[in-house]
Amino acid sequence: EPEVTQTPSHQVTQMGQEVILRCVPISNHLYFYWYRQILGQKVEFLVSFYNNEISEKSEIFDDQFSVERPDGSNFTLKIRSTKLEDSAMYFCASSVQIASREKLFFGSGTQLSVL
Amino acid sequence: AQTVTQSQPEMSVQEAETVTLSCTYDTSENNYYLFWYKQPPSRQMILVIRQEAYKQQNATENRFSVNFQKAAKSFSLKISDSQLGDTAMYFCAFTLNTGGFKTIFGAGTRLFVKA
Repeated sequence: EPEVTQTPSHQVTQMGQEVILRCVPISNHLYFYWYRQILGQKVEFLVSFYNNEISEKSEIFDDQFSVERPDGSNFTLKIRSTKLEDSAMYFCASSVQIASREKLFFGSGTQLSVL
Repeated sequence: AQTVTQSQPEMSVQEAETVTLSCTYDTSENNYYLFWYKQPPSRQMILVIRQEAYKQQNATENRFSVNFQKAAKSFSLKISDSQLGDTAMYFCAFTLNTGGFKTIFGAGTRLFVKA
């Protein structure tokens, strides 16, 4: 089965630094998402992206966050100035149709640790 | 606002037995989709089963079935003939059909299958 690929699997950064988390969605998928999961807590929606623009975002997704699909295959999440509370597992997901119509295909996640 | 509640933080079951995980949700909308995702220790998110709210028939996938009670806003997952590989965190999730970019997850139930 095709997979969503995320790199790196682990990222350690200093508070205040910028990080970019990378994802390669499944090639024929049109909808892209970022979710995060703080250790021991629920999975939280961050943002969805369709047709080269953000289609929906949560209150977590503030000005420090941005997403981009720079080259038609990669889908990135940038955190401009990381905070301690940004430490979490970040999951990229994609789907052919809108999320309500079918399942999301999740990547294996990037564990971000902010020191 | 939509919410998903899983009232059982942890459950255990003997191998080969049946276990039911509870989930309730809250929404004023009539058209939506419900999901159960499994997260094994690898932390990858894997879809277990999906239910369209407009369908009265309960979804079934091999050993996994749901009991969908729309009026009660309840969506429980039944795992029959439990296997050791079913040990994981299970998340109930909800997506609106209208503008359904965002999937809302419950806090999860950790299931241990004992040999």
